This record gives sequence, structure tokens and C-alpha cells, in this order.
Amino acid sequence: EAGVAQSPRYKIIEKRQSVAFWCNPISGHATLYWYQQILGQGPKLLIQFQNNGVVDDSQLPKDRFSAERLKGVDSTLKIQPAKLEDSAVYLCASSLWGQGANGNTIYFGEGSWLTVV
Amino acid sequence: SQQGEEDPQALSIQEGENATMNCSYKTSINNLQWYRQNSGRGLVHLILIRSNEREKHSGRLRVTLDTSKKSSSLLITASRAADTASYFCATYSGGYQKVTFGTGTKLQVIP
Repeated sequence: EAGVAQSPRYKIIEKRQSVAFWCNPISGHATLYWYQQILGQGPKLLIQFQNNGVVDDSQLPKDRFSAERLKGVDSTLKIQPAKLEDSAVYLCASSLWGQGANGNTIYFGEGSWLTVV
Repeated sequence: SQQGEEDPQALSIQEGENATMNCSYKTSINNLQWYRQNSGRGLVHLILIRSNEREKHSGRLRVTLDTSKKSSSLLITASRAADTASYFCATYSGGYQKVTFGTGTKLQVIP
């Protein structure tokens, strides 16, 4: 079974530039997550999709971050303009279904490492 | 905001010893899971414990959950050098299973 695919793996940009990350979840997974992980910290949820609808984006800095999930499958996360503090790993993850108490396992991609200089 | 706080932040042990990590959280949960992250990699699921369970075992892993204290612990028995990684607890809450990760414990197992 193919895992969660992310690209690019590494990106270095200057502050105020823009960047986009792409994610392809595991086939059939309805829930897709984007997490931001700063070095030495735990992952912080940026946005959660259920199919192509947003169920939680309370911690997404909407003035500079945007995300979409086209047709309930692939997703892109964009940052524009980037700031130095956006340097982090951006993790995409997916799970079968996010509702209820089944505790479906979340499967993570390898992450996209962003350095803003 | 982080839901969970892991303790200790870092742990260094000799191979063969047991490693215990603790997680405390703030709000009511549906269940709690533990994940592992090797340096530079994504997170990998280890074990799930539901809110109505008190203890769960999986191989060399033992997880406990005390909902009255809002805390969980992960025990790795007979540790190996390959167990060197960061370990995170993740709480699942709400109707849409919002998943919130703790701050992590960095475990080093010395051969």
C-alpha cells in the first residue's frame, strides 16, 4: 500500500517569497491533516479536511497560509509571504475517517522541510 | 496549542533498560495514541488506548491511561539502540477527531 506522498522534500526560500507544498494521501482516506513541526517541538495542527471540506483551521495563520483539497484527494498548502518563523517541517497526514471514537490511525508523510532565510 | 505535555523532555538509558515516558493532557478525550519519530522522518503510530481502557500491551510496549488524572504513560521494556527516537502522545477529541500532539520525549538508547 502506497503511503502519504509529499513534495518537495526540501525547500529554501527568502523571506517574503512564496512556497507551495503538495500532498497525496493514502487512497480512500477521507481525512487529511497538515501539521507544522518546528525543530524540537511536537506537530501543531494547521488544518484538517474531511473529504474536501475544512473541519478545523483554527491554528492556520490565514493572513499568509492557505490550503485546499481538490476533489477530496490531493491537497496543497501555500505560504505567502513567508516569514523567518515559518521555518519548520510541514507534515501531511491522512486517516480513514475522522469522526467518531474509532481512533483511526493517522499515517504521516515524510514531511517537507522549509528553511526561510 | 499543545494538548499534551510529555515528561521527561529527554531520556538517556543503556540498552536493555526500561524507558518510561509520561504524557499529561488538558481536556477530555476519546482516545490517546503514542507515535514515534525517527530523526528527520515522519511519525509512525505505535499504540492506541481508548478512554474506557486503563492498560494496553503491544510487544515490548505498555501504555496506561488515567482519565481522572488526565495522564498516560508509555513503557518500553528491554530497550534497544533502534528505539532511539522521539515519542509523542496524541489525543483524539471531539466529533471530528481533532488530533493534538504533545511536546515529545527524546529517547536515546546507548548500546
